Amino acid sequence: ELKVEQNPLFLSMQEGKNYTIYCNYSTTSDRLYWYRQDPGKSLESLFVLLSNGAVKQEGRLMASLDTKARLSTLHITAAVHDLSATYFCAVGSEGGSQGNLIFGKGTKLSVKP
Amino acid sequence: EPEVTQTPSHQVTQMGQEVILRCVPISNHLYFYWYRQILGQKVEFLVSFYNNEISEKSEIFDDQFSVERPDGSNFTLKIRSTKLEDSAMYFCASSMTLYGYTFGSGTRLTVV
Repeated sequence: ELKVEQNPLFLSMQEGKNYTIYCNYSTTSDRLYWYRQDPGKSLESLFVLLSNGAVKQEGRLMASLDTKARLSTLHITAAVHDLSATYFCAVGSEGGSQGNLIFGKGTKLSVKP
Repeated sequence: EPEVTQTPSHQVTQMGQEVILRCVPISNHLYFYWYRQILGQKVEFLVSFYNNEISEKSEIFDDQFSVERPDGSNFTLKIRSTKLEDSAMYFCASSMTLYGYTFGSGTRLTVV
C-alpha cells in the first residue's frame, strides 16, 4: 500500500527566510505532484515531477524528486506572506492505476512579517 | 483557461437523505475523479472513471456511493443515506492523461 508522509505538518516562518518541506513515499511511483491550497479553496497545481532528478522552479518555490530515495522536497526561498497556505504532495501509484493520487497530510505554512 | 466546474458550492442535507454532487469536467478530458477532504485533513481518493466506467475505487467508495456521466458533459457523485461523517469538501478532477489534473473548486457537504 502506497503511503505518503510529509513533514513538517506545521511551519511558521519569518519573511525572507528559507525552508524545505519533505515528502517521503513508501513504494515506487512514476509521478509526484505538489499542490497549494488556500483556506476553503481548491487545489492549485504547482509542480509535476516525472523522473529521477527532476527539478522545477517557479518563483520562490523549487521542487525536486529523488526516486531512489522516494523523496521529494519543496524548497522555499526568501519567503513572503503571500506564500502562506497549505502545501500537499501527492503520489501516483505506479503501473497501470488509472490515475488516482495518494496525498500527504499537508504542510500548513504561515509566513510572518 | 479551462476549468472544472462544480455545483453546488455548499450543500446542507439532513442525515439519511440522498445528495447528488455535480461536476462539469474540461471538455476534452478523458479521466474523471472524485476526491474528498474532511475539514483540516488530507485529500482522499474516492473513485476514478474512464471510458464510461469506474476504473478504480478506494475503500471509502462503498455501496453508499455511485458515479455517473449521464450526458457526456456532467459527472455526478451520488451519496445515498448520508451520514454525519460524510460531511467534507468533495473535489472533482479531470485529466487528459494520467499526468495532469485539474481540480474543481469543490462542494462543501454538511450533513446535519
